[in-house]
Amino acid sequence: DAKTTQPNSMESNEEEPVHLPCNHSTISGTDYIHWYRQLPSQGPEYVIHGLTSNVNNRMASLAIAEDRKSSTLILHRATLRDAAVYYCILGLYGGSQGNLIFGKGTKLSVKP
Amino acid sequence: NAGVTQTPKFQVLKTGQSMTLQCAQDMNHEYMSWYRQDPGMGLRLIHYSVGAGITDQGEVPNGYNVSRSTTEDFPLRLLSAAPSQTSVYFCASSYSLEGDTQYFGPGTRLTVL
Repeated sequence: DAKTTQPNSMESNEEEPVHLPCNHSTISGTDYIHWYRQLPSQGPEYVIHGLTSNVNNRMASLAIAEDRKSSTLILHRATLRDAAVYYCILGLYGGSQGNLIFGKGTKLSVKP
Repeated sequence: NAGVTQTPKFQVLKTGQSMTLQCAQDMNHEYMSWYRQDPGMGLRLIHYSVGAGITDQGEVPNGYNVSRSTTEDFPLRLLSAAPSQTSVYFCASSYSLEGDTQYFGPGTRLTVL
């Protein structure tokens, strides 16, 4: 299974943008890049996913490098509620297995 | 929709006891799975199901049994609890097996003494 590398922790100030990096140098052509987050004492929740092009939704933006070996999750204005562990996960979309393989993720702290 | 629900929220067992963790979803999802999360770690897949009557093993299946008699329910059974099974357990579901967005329940925090 393709592996991702993320920083253990990051800090941000409230209402400032946050860029969460993810390296996935062994990504295959059929791997989608998924981001989930886990708020304290809750189950993970979906944030965004993409294949090759940059993606935007109401929660965040996903910027994918041209060679697809890295990506960045962008929270445009961090709030205190965005403090969570963010997981970057590679997975098949339209493939034969939908299981997600979680690493340790990046713990984001947001300061008021 | 209630989404994915799990019961109980908390449970304490003694070594050797058995119990069933319940998971239900009301979104008519075919795919359901169980993960465990140990302190400071990511989630690891225990078992999953691609539809009623069909289950398969994940990364860490030993000590756990599952069955899927209905689309809605996917219980996880601990046959003989061990302290190594102390963890938080999450159930998830998605519309299809094909890498679709997964929806997670709130978790069951299990302690085995």
